[in-house]
Amino acid sequence: SQTIHQWPATLVQPVGSPLSLECTVEGTSNPNLYWYRQAAGRGLQLLFYSVGIGQISSEVPQNLSASRPQDRQFILSSKKLLLSDSGFYLCAWRPTDRGNSPLHFGNGTRLTVT
Amino acid sequence: AQRVTQPEKLLSVFKGAPVELKCNYSYSGSPELFWYVQYSRQRLQLLLRHISRESIKGFTADLNKGETSFHLKKPFAQEEDSAMYYCALSGISGNTPLVFGKGTRLSVIA
Repeated sequence: SQTIHQWPATLVQPVGSPLSLECTVEGTSNPNLYWYRQAAGRGLQLLFYSVGIGQISSEVPQNLSASRPQDRQFILSSKKLLLSDSGFYLCAWRPTDRGNSPLHFGNGTRLTVT
Repeated sequence: AQRVTQPEKLLSVFKGAPVELKCNYSYSGSPELFWYVQYSRQRLQLLLRHISRESIKGFTADLNKGETSFHLKKPFAQEEDSAMYYCALSGISGNTPLVFGKGTRLSVIA
């Protein structure tokens, strides 16, 4: 069966420090991968998605970047964190074959920038 | 561009009352519509999708292309239905992103 792992679960970082959140999927190949940010009143905001290794689509211009160095690995990064980067970050995957395939979410990372 | 609108941030109903969570969408192609639910302290999970045409936990949702809506309904709300509900939209290709609405918090009062 397929599983998705996301870590760390919580993170407290000072302003200006770098960020690296990692997400891996097991039990499937060539998944579509997604990073979302969940915030009260803003719902689930799509940040990045990837349909293959090295292919990243950015939905919202911001202080963050994403990379997909391996088929089932998706990384969310920042060189210098801002206070506004605080939030709950969710990684998700779904099969590439059909648009009606559901998303499967990780447990999320609670990021607090101080 | 894909857009999903959930006009209600919070919906409170009494136990046993009917529930309707509204969702409207904007998309130029053929849409795939979903409802996701997040219960307290749990992972976000799929509730239902329009292509399945099934009832999950008593909830149903009908895609109305004329009104571009995909409202979630349940005839008799239960306390365990209290959760955050998100409507989501994708294109028919698996490579199109899944875009979510801002969510509606449903509170069922005993």
